[in-house]
Amino acid sequence: DADVTQTPRNRITKTGKRIMLECSQTKGHDRMYWYRQDPGLGLRLIYYSFDVKDINKGEISDGYSVSRQAQAKFSLSLESAIPNQTALYFCATAWTSGGGGTDTQYFGPGTRLTVL
Amino acid sequence: AQSVTQLGSHVSVSEGALVLLRCNYSSSVPPYLFWYVQYPNQGLQLLLKYTTGATLVKGINGFEAEFKKSETSFHLTKPSAHMSDAAEYFCAVSDWGKLIFGQGTELSVKP
Repeated sequence: DADVTQTPRNRITKTGKRIMLECSQTKGHDRMYWYRQDPGLGLRLIYYSFDVKDINKGEISDGYSVSRQAQAKFSLSLESAIPNQTALYFCATAWTSGGGGTDTQYFGPGTRLTVL
Repeated sequence: AQSVTQLGSHVSVSEGALVLLRCNYSSSVPPYLFWYVQYPNQGLQLLLKYTTGATLVKGINGFEAEFKKSETSFHLTKPSAHMSDAAEYFCAVSDWGKLIFGQGTELSVKP
């Protein structure tokens, strides 16, 4: 019974297709994030949300969009997938404790996306 | 802007040997620093973090890291490696609630 779940866990799609990756959390956290992981590049931030009405672009938001449907749900969409979006995608959550950035982020298990 | 550099994309040690994974940071403000571990086919798990106070931080599974402001470093160590420590390790710095990650270091442990 994971606290942060991601669906699907694996997805193969074709260039030009629209894809949605979903993230749900039962931790009651207010902040949610989407990262992508590429070998040798670490994790890079795509979008983040500090509460339901707050959406912010990260370092690499081009080609992606997000929706925060509820405090517990944060979806990432690729409107028209391209091969260089092939990567491992992680959702993360955190609780704003007022620590100014000291809060631990909790990660989901990841979604492996392949765009052919 | 904050940034993190991990020295060495791959480190190999023998079981029982010292583990040393290097991380240097750049930050215009006092940094909050994190080490995360990623086991195969899993998400990231927090090992330890430095916020303020004691510069030697102890984490889970026997790992610890020391914040050295003069060297802008936050190296991760473990006195004796175990086979189960084989994983990828990420150093990160907080940027107002966002994490800036290093490139990652894959640790291999030989029997």
